Amino acid sequence: NAGVMQNPRHLVRRRGQEARLRCSPMKGHSHVYWYRQLPEEGLKFMVYLQKENIIDESGMPKERFSAEFPKEGPSILRIQQVVRGDSAAYFCASSPSREAPGELFFGEGSRLTVL
Amino acid sequence: EDKVVQSPLSLVVHEGDTVTLNCSYEVTNFRSLLWYKQEKKAPTFLFMLTSSGIEKKSGRLSSILDKKELFSILNITATQTGDSAIYLCAVRSGGATNKLIFGTGTLLAVQP
Repeated sequence: NAGVMQNPRHLVRRRGQEARLRCSPMKGHSHVYWYRQLPEEGLKFMVYLQKENIIDESGMPKERFSAEFPKEGPSILRIQQVVRGDSAAYFCASSPSREAPGELFFGEGSRLTVL
Repeated sequence: EDKVVQSPLSLVVHEGDTVTLNCSYEVTNFRSLLWYKQEKKAPTFLFMLTSSGIEKKSGRLSSILDKKELFSILNITATQTGDSAIYLCAVRSGGATNKLIFGTGTLLAVQP
């Protein structure tokens, strides 16, 4: 039973390019959370999605960032026109339901470096 | 604004020492508090606490929650070099999203 799968593990982009990060939740999980971790900082909530729905995007910058979780396929976090400040580790986590009392299961993260 | 504060920010100890990590929080609609261990990869789950005063224990690790004073501690006894990691505290608030709010973590380094 595979865990949360994220790819790519490492991504290098030049300023102004686009970054696409993918997350496949654990089998049977339909709820996905994206978190960003900057150096020396904790995990910051970005967005929470269910299949085909964005439930809470209060932690996501209003510009350049978008997320989706289509009916088929992985969840995607998209960053357009990247800037150096976007360099961070982006973690995806999944849970079986919104009301699940247990923990979130995390992927190993995608590390974005913007040159 | 909801917040979770961990202390100390970093800690260096020797093998065999006992350490206590602290986590205090201010959130609306508290549901649970969780501890994670993060080495160089994904945060891995340690404990979830929902009730005050009930200690959760797993081997050399234990944790307890005080909902009146709004804090939790994570204890590690007889530390080993393999305990070196960032320890993250997170609080789940209720409402529409059930999201976790994380502290900045405590970086623990255990020296041989």
